[in-house]
Amino acid sequence: QQPVQSPQAVILREGEDAVINCSSSKALYSVHWYRQKHGEAPVFLMILLKGGEQKGHDKISASFNEKKQQSSLYLTASQLSYSGTYFCGTGGAGSYQLTFGKGTKLSVIP
Amino acid sequence: EPEVTQTPSHQVTQMGQEVILRCVPISNHLYFYWYRQILGQKVEFLVSFYNNEISEKSEIFDDQFSVERPDGSNFTLKIRSTKLEDSAMYFCASSPQGGRYEQFFGPGTRLTVL
Repeated sequence: QQPVQSPQAVILREGEDAVINCSSSKALYSVHWYRQKHGEAPVFLMILLKGGEQKGHDKISASFNEKKQQSSLYLTASQLSYSGTYFCGTGGAGSYQLTFGKGTKLSVIP
Repeated sequence: EPEVTQTPSHQVTQMGQEVILRCVPISNHLYFYWYRQILGQKVEFLVSFYNNEISEKSEIFDDQFSVERPDGSNFTLKIRSTKLEDSAMYFCASSPQGGRYEQFFGPGTRLTVL
């Protein structure tokens, strides 16, 4: 079952902050965050693993609440280059596939 | 920086024809994946491949689909008899290990079935 992302879309001015949420009805082993610009491949941002390990981007942070089966991506001091669609992909124990949410479209305007 | 490459970037085919999409994963990666994205929709998992065999596949990956690693560098997705609904962007991805490691996506092949 696919994770649910919220909001579906958000518009920010440069310098503003945003939070994108991802929740799942299934127990999560890992949460992977990607950003996709129009017509391009998804680009890896962050991975959060059960047990607290994180790997990823310097300027982007995220949290993973294992009990609530939720993850949030925090974008601070947004830049124009942050525009794109953000997907969370969830992984289960013993599974290599990622199940992606429908995405959150982020638009940063000057 | 090493990256996943895919060819062709765009493939147009007639319904019922066979297509082969090609990918060169990052050289020291062990796990390979195919995903697809229908225009404007989410990315969907098709199949994962490790140690020369399929490790997982989704419901989408039916008998019309097959994957192969014909040599030490290429990873291919074959669709035997294409349908209109196979039109999508197909992404190849690779990761150094499975599960707890990031997957790096290639630029994609846009498949258009007429």
